[in-house]
Amino acid sequence: EAQVTQNPRYLITVTGKKLTVTCSQNMNHEYMSWYRQDPGLGLRQIYYSMNVEVTDKGDVPEGYKVSRKEKRNFPLILESPSPNQTSLYFCASRSRGLHGYTFGSGTRLTVV
Amino acid sequence: AQSVSQHNHHVILSEAASLELGCNYSYGGTVNLFWYVQYPGQHLQLLLKYFSGDPLVKGIKGFEAEFIKSKFSFNLRKPSVQWSDTAEYFCAVIASGGSYIPTFGRGTSLIVHP
Repeated sequence: EAQVTQNPRYLITVTGKKLTVTCSQNMNHEYMSWYRQDPGLGLRQIYYSMNVEVTDKGDVPEGYKVSRKEKRNFPLILESPSPNQTSLYFCASRSRGLHGYTFGSGTRLTVV
Repeated sequence: AQSVSQHNHHVILSEAASLELGCNYSYGGTVNLFWYVQYPGQHLQLLLKYFSGDPLVKGIKGFEAEFIKSKFSFNLRKPSVQWSDTAEYFCAVIASGGSYIPTFGRGTSLIVHP
């Protein structure tokens, strides 16, 4: 089944403890993105990648890192999480050209 | 850079009522437009998309949207909503010639009362 898989689905962590949210897609898509969703703010893009080893900042990249060493994986790294990074995170991918995104199921992160 | 406005933040309807959710974008060039739906507790799913051709686009579950270039709009419509349409709806735009990364609106929360 074509899908975007994120893990974990839920995570509670403490301020400053490094964490990684994994994202993997099995559709051979070139484009991958990370979004955070907050009430009243909709979806805001954190980082995106147009292909392996090609990443760029989105609208809200501060406090996040990403890597794209392989086409299928696009992990989101929080080196020192803070409470304002408590949010719902979505990974998405799509193929080259003008296509809609396929979204992962989301990761609900709470930083205390 | 392009931007997307969804004017209705919250919409409450009774079943069988007609629905129209507004979406306006700001970009002077060629655009590609999308509507996504997010059911409670779930991820976003593509409802419909417009790339070119007939400006009236039909999507899944009886939804349709009309691209009006002169108004920079891509409003979502459904003639008769059901309780199961309760969800959050997001409009998104991709500007051709750019990075092909979509910009999303802030979303419209739709509640349908049975």
